[in-house]
Amino acid sequence: DVKVTQSSRYLVKRTGEKVFLECVQDMDHENMFWYRQDPGLGLRLIYFSYDVKMKEKGDIPEGYSVSREKKERFSLILESASTNQTSMYLCASRWSNQPQHFGDGTRLSIL
Amino acid sequence: KNQVEQSPQSLIILEGKNCTLQCNYTVSPFSNLRWYKQDTGRGPVSLTIMTFSENTKSNGRYTATLDADTKQSSLHITASQLSDSASYICVVSANRDDKIIFGKGTRLHILP
Repeated sequence: DVKVTQSSRYLVKRTGEKVFLECVQDMDHENMFWYRQDPGLGLRLIYFSYDVKMKEKGDIPEGYSVSREKKERFSLILESASTNQTSMYLCASRWSNQPQHFGDGTRLSIL
Repeated sequence: KNQVEQSPQSLIILEGKNCTLQCNYTVSPFSNLRWYKQDTGRGPVSLTIMTFSENTKSNGRYTATLDADTKQSSLHITASQLSDSASYICVVSANRDDKIIFGKGTRLHILP
């Protein structure tokens, strides 16, 4: 069974800090995604990657960057955290056009 | 504009009752439609995936339907259980650019 693991379930950081959210998948999937999920807005795509060292902007990339140095790991970086980045962050992976497999999310609070 | 609209926004039913969740989309060109279940504090989990040629697909007590002509899908839950309490998200993929469009979900509460 596919497992997508996000490094933290809950995270509290301060405004201006650099924040790293890590995601690892164990099924050799090429495609990986980062979303944020907010009440009333659903899931919104931040960045995605179709291969190692490759990244594409999603719908709301501002204030974020990503890193994909290895196939199994996709990191989301908040360069200088702000309070409006308080949210639930979900990582997903998939093979080709098959259904995405999601991690259990990181609930990030920026104080 | 590619959009996925779900209704109702939230729903409360008694345990053992049936319910139907709706999904309307304007995504084109259509590739497939998926229903996900998201338990509180967890990530979404795929329930069904339907392509253009499929009208009905079942997964246990969950039955999804697709009308590609009217661009509507429904998720029917039979004999609901307390564990069905969750958000149900409709997701439509477009062939062009492999775009994935999420609905905002229906929050389902099952009462004992």
